[in-house]
Amino acid sequence: KNEVEQSPQNLTAQEGEFITINCSYSVGISALHWLQQHPGGGIVSLFMLSSGKKKHGRLIATINIQEKHSSLHITASHPRDSAVYICAVRGDGGTSYGKLTFGQGTILTVHP
Amino acid sequence: NAGVTQTPKFQVLKTGQSMTLQCAQDMNHNSMYWYRQDPGMGLRLIYYSASEGTTDKGEVPNGYNVSRLNKREFSLRLESAAPSQTSVYFCASSSRGEGRGYTFGSGTRLTVV
Repeated sequence: KNEVEQSPQNLTAQEGEFITINCSYSVGISALHWLQQHPGGGIVSLFMLSSGKKKHGRLIATINIQEKHSSLHITASHPRDSAVYICAVRGDGGTSYGKLTFGQGTILTVHP
Repeated sequence: NAGVTQTPKFQVLKTGQSMTLQCAQDMNHNSMYWYRQDPGMGLRLIYYSASEGTTDKGEVPNGYNVSRLNKREFSLRLESAAPSQTSVYFCASSSRGEGRGYTFGSGTRLTVV
């Protein structure tokens, strides 16, 4: 079992729909990152969370430390949101501090 | 622009050739990392450097060496390239403390034939 599990693996939506991507992890963490990668592109950090909720534009990220679960929401989705969204957790100390462990990614396609 | 700069962006090597991937950051981050990304495998840590002067193995270090030249630069060397090292390589850097920002380079697409 992977330490970081994302669901779904693939997601197709129509423009304007509300989208949720889930991430569950099984290790202690100091922070959780949501990353975005466009086809053939680099990796951009969208959010870093250690508790609660963050919002940036149409993107909302939440984390529940007790349940070891995080969600990324996209409101009013748009075709330019089509990308791979990756959940990554950051080690909480010792030799794991700072290193990221990644989920497999969720491929999002938003149709006009 | 501030960030992480990787060179080259693309490279084709023949089996057995060597090369060095360069990475530099200008954000005064202490820690730097090299990851590889493969279809179906996600991103995996090759080597990391928690601070200037230190380097440690990650999940998949075999076939690679690294050098933390100074606080800004962290290079990855393939001494004898193999087809299994065909991948996209990302350098990243991060800070400690409250900011704890994590920034990735734009990637190097390496093909070993």
